[in-house]
Amino acid sequence: ETGVTQTPRHLVMGMTNKKSLKCEQHLGHNAMYWYKQSAKKPLELMFVYNFKEQTENNSVPSRFSPECPNSSHLFLHLHTLQPEDSALYLCASSPGLAGGTDTQYFGPGTRLTVL
Amino acid sequence: GQNIDQPTEMTATEGAIVQINCTYQTSGFNGLFWYQQHAGEAPTFLSYNVLDGLEEKGRFSSFLSRSKGYSYLLLKELQMKDSASYLCAVRDPDSWGKLQFGAGTQVVVTP
Repeated sequence: ETGVTQTPRHLVMGMTNKKSLKCEQHLGHNAMYWYKQSAKKPLELMFVYNFKEQTENNSVPSRFSPECPNSSHLFLHLHTLQPEDSALYLCASSPGLAGGTDTQYFGPGTRLTVL
Repeated sequence: GQNIDQPTEMTATEGAIVQINCTYQTSGFNGLFWYQQHAGEAPTFLSYNVLDGLEEKGRFSSFLSRSKGYSYLLLKELQMKDSASYLCAVRDPDSWGKLQFGAGTQVVVTP
């Protein structure tokens, strides 16, 4: 059971397409995250938002563009992707309070395939 | 940056005990997490250690030694549903919210 939802669950797109991934959290958290998970590789942090402000961009290519309109919603806009961008994209949220456990809770992910 | 190592795969029998080790090399430390991830599903939080010692939660326990840069996750009374990938993650002390993950250990439980 998770309080973090993601849509769509699966997405196939061409390299010239523009698409968006959506994440919504129902946990009352203040921080949200995007991660990329490729086969046999560690989860890679992409972006962090805290109270709607971006606090981390982990050297992500500009073809990935995040948007956080409020603390409950997070988007990842995709354009002119490459086949190597095919992966599972996971969203997470956390209370956003430094100094505590601040556990991150994950959504089910969007399985992205770039043709 | 941080380097986090864990074994790729472990196999154990139903009812047995398995210990998954995680070693990390970091310039600082601000907590270590363990997550469970079933194939095609979201990682789910299992445990958090920030001080040395053992944290027990039912069949699962996690241990931390900061001086050795070492943690383990102990799974007792293994059940078939425990077949999953187990992820070790260390929080970056210099960048709030940033977790560095290991590649995960795939645990296979056999009858």
